[in-house]
Amino acid sequence: GQQLNQSPQSMFIQEGEDVSMNCTSSSIFNTWLWYKQDPGEGPVLLIALYKAGELTSNGRLTAQFGITRKDSFLNISASIPSDVGIYFCAGPVKGGSEKLVFGKGTKLTVNP
Amino acid sequence: KAGVTQTPRYLIKTRGQQVTLSCSPISGHRSVSWYQQTPGQGLQFLFEYFSETQRNKGNFPGRFSGRQFSNSRSEMNVSTLELGDSALYLCASSLAVWGTGYEQYFGPGTRLTVT
Repeated sequence: GQQLNQSPQSMFIQEGEDVSMNCTSSSIFNTWLWYKQDPGEGPVLLIALYKAGELTSNGRLTAQFGITRKDSFLNISASIPSDVGIYFCAGPVKGGSEKLVFGKGTKLTVNP
Repeated sequence: KAGVTQTPRYLIKTRGQQVTLSCSPISGHRSVSWYQQTPGQGLQFLFEYFSETQRNKGNFPGRFSGRQFSNSRSEMNVSTLELGDSALYLCASSLAVWGTGYEQYFGPGTRLTVT
C-alpha cells in the first residue's frame, strides 16, 4: 500500500532556529496535508497542498508540494518553544477519498 | 464554530469486554473518519462514514465497527477487547467537498486502556 516516509524522526533545536522536515513516498499523491500533534491531543491541520509545485505559508510555517508529487516539505522559521510537538504529513490513499495515510512523524524539541 | 468532540476522553476496560466511543463532528461536516494511534504503528485508518454509510474501511478485524447517525454524529464499537487495542482513538470530520474534502479536522481523542 501507499506509505509516507518522514525524516528526520526527531530534531533538537535552539529557539530562533529554522527547521526543515520532509515527507516522501514511492507513490504519487494528489494532496499533501501537514498536521501538528501536542501530547494528549488530536492532530491539528497546519497546511493543505493541492497542486504540484505549490508553496503555501501559514505564519512562520511554509510547506511545498513537490513537483514529482512524491514528496513534500515543511519549514518552520524562527522556532519558538510552543513549536514543540510531533509533525505529521498525510495524504489520501489513491481511490480512497477520505482515507488518509500518515507518516510516522517528526518529533520537534525546541530548547529555549 | 465548535470543533470535533469525542467522549469519553479516557476509558479503562478489561480484556473481553466491549466499548463504544462517540464522536460529534464539526457542524456541517458530513464525513467522519476514525483512526487508531499507537506508538508502534502510528496513525492508522479504521473507517469512514458519509451520510450514514461506510465508504472506506481500513485493515482492522471485524471486532471494530462503527455507525453514523442522521445528524452526522458517529460511534465506533470494539468488541472482545484485546490488550493490543490499547490506543488513542481519534475521530476526524471533513466537509467531503471536492477540493477541500481531504482536510480532516481531528478531535482530542479517546485514550483506551485495556487491562
